[in-house]
Amino acid sequence: AQSVTQLGSHVSVSEGALVLLRCNYSSSVPPYLFWYVQYPNQGLQLLLKYTTGATLVKGINGFEAEFKKSETSFHLTKPSAHMSDAAEYFCAVTLRMDSSYKLIFGSGTRLLVRP
Amino acid sequence: SQTIHQWPATLVQPVGSPLSLECTVEGTSNPNLYWYRQAAGRGLQLLFYSVGIGQISSEVPQNLSASRPQDRQFILSSKKLLLSDSGFYLCAWSPGTNEQFFGPGTRLTVL
Repeated sequence: AQSVTQLGSHVSVSEGALVLLRCNYSSSVPPYLFWYVQYPNQGLQLLLKYTTGATLVKGINGFEAEFKKSETSFHLTKPSAHMSDAAEYFCAVTLRMDSSYKLIFGSGTRLLVRP
Repeated sequence: SQTIHQWPATLVQPVGSPLSLECTVEGTSNPNLYWYRQAAGRGLQLLFYSVGIGQISSEVPQNLSASRPQDRQFILSSKKLLLSDSGFYLCAWSPGTNEQFFGPGTRLTVL
């Protein structure tokens, strides 16, 4: 069965520092993986996704993630944090259902950016 | 382009009262539709999904129900709210691929 584990419910970085949010997945089939961002009291916005092909995926707002099959990981990184990056981040894996897809989410990581 | 709407944006209801949350999608046809709930400090839990009018699949047994009376309309309902129904409710749509697009959400507080 598919599942997602996000290590660290809260991550705090200084402005300008590297952002690293960890995600490990479990999947019995080749996974489709996603990172979403949620700002307070808003819906989820897609940051990036991995389906097939290149394992380093670039997304919006300078974020990228690398799919590592041997480590079953899909960590999210950004070289330099901005104050506007403060939000909650969710990693998700897709489960195929009969005629639809289901997203299985991790519990989320709240990113705090210190000035 | 496609747009997804949810209303109301916030709602405060007493225990035992009914609930109706609405989600509509514009700019697409025959979307797959989803209802998620996000409890405080927790991830997202899929409640219902629909692949067509009148077709509803439930993921979690509870006192909530969903309906899809029109192609681009998805409604979440309850006859009697519980305290545990409080949370942030998100609607999402998909063109049938593995990607989902989320609405702005409804904050429900049950007192």
